[in-house]
Amino acid sequence: GAGVSQSPSNKVTEKGKDVELRCDPISGHTALYWYRQRLGQGLEFLIYFQGNSAPDKSGLPSDRFSAERTGESVSTLTIQRTQQEDSAVYLCASSLQGTNTEAFFGQGTRLTVV
Amino acid sequence: AQSVAQPEDQVNVAEGNPLTVKCTYSVSGNPYLFWYVQYPNRGLQFLLKYITGDNLVKGSYGFEAEFNKSQTSFHLKKPSALVSDSALYFCAVPLDNYGQNFVFGPGTRLSVLP
Repeated sequence: GAGVSQSPSNKVTEKGKDVELRCDPISGHTALYWYRQRLGQGLEFLIYFQGNSAPDKSGLPSDRFSAERTGESVSTLTIQRTQQEDSAVYLCASSLQGTNTEAFFGQGTRLTVV
Repeated sequence: AQSVAQPEDQVNVAEGNPLTVKCTYSVSGNPYLFWYVQYPNRGLQFLLKYITGDNLVKGSYGFEAEFNKSQTSFHLKKPSALVSDSALYFCAVPLDNYGQNFVFGPGTRLSVLP
């Protein structure tokens, strides 16, 4: 596709339910990132995939959060047993391999836990 | 550790006036610096980056940024602000010398008043 695509764009879920967020990166982009943005705040790094290397999971806030990526394609971010503090916009980005290449962001998934 | 600071949470400027959004950095090695913009309810968009060369970098939508090594700054500028420039602006720096993951500043909200 022309850009990074995220789905769903909005998700309302009940506390305690699991949710799965999807990211389709730009074709050919080997790097993929997930960030969380709470209302009116900056970006919080969650996880980073680069090709077939082990992902950098250092930003995941708890073991309820996990992410997978198949090769250099789609990624899914899963949040288990959602809590109200998980409510945020989850942003995915991708970039080409190589140093200092800019990241291209999707529109985000707005997650609301009620 | 690599980091960026954006000393102003909010910048207000009148339409037609020049605007500056400030960013200072702390990095080891060569600084690679990025600016992103986030319009309301949208993902982040890349504006410009400094890698090497000319200290004045030109980017999208008429924006430019000046790299100043002695002041460790990379301020974003535009000669004449538009109301449509109102958005959240993020300065970013690669997390490491491989340049494949980023740390973002807290963001500066720019309001251009008609």
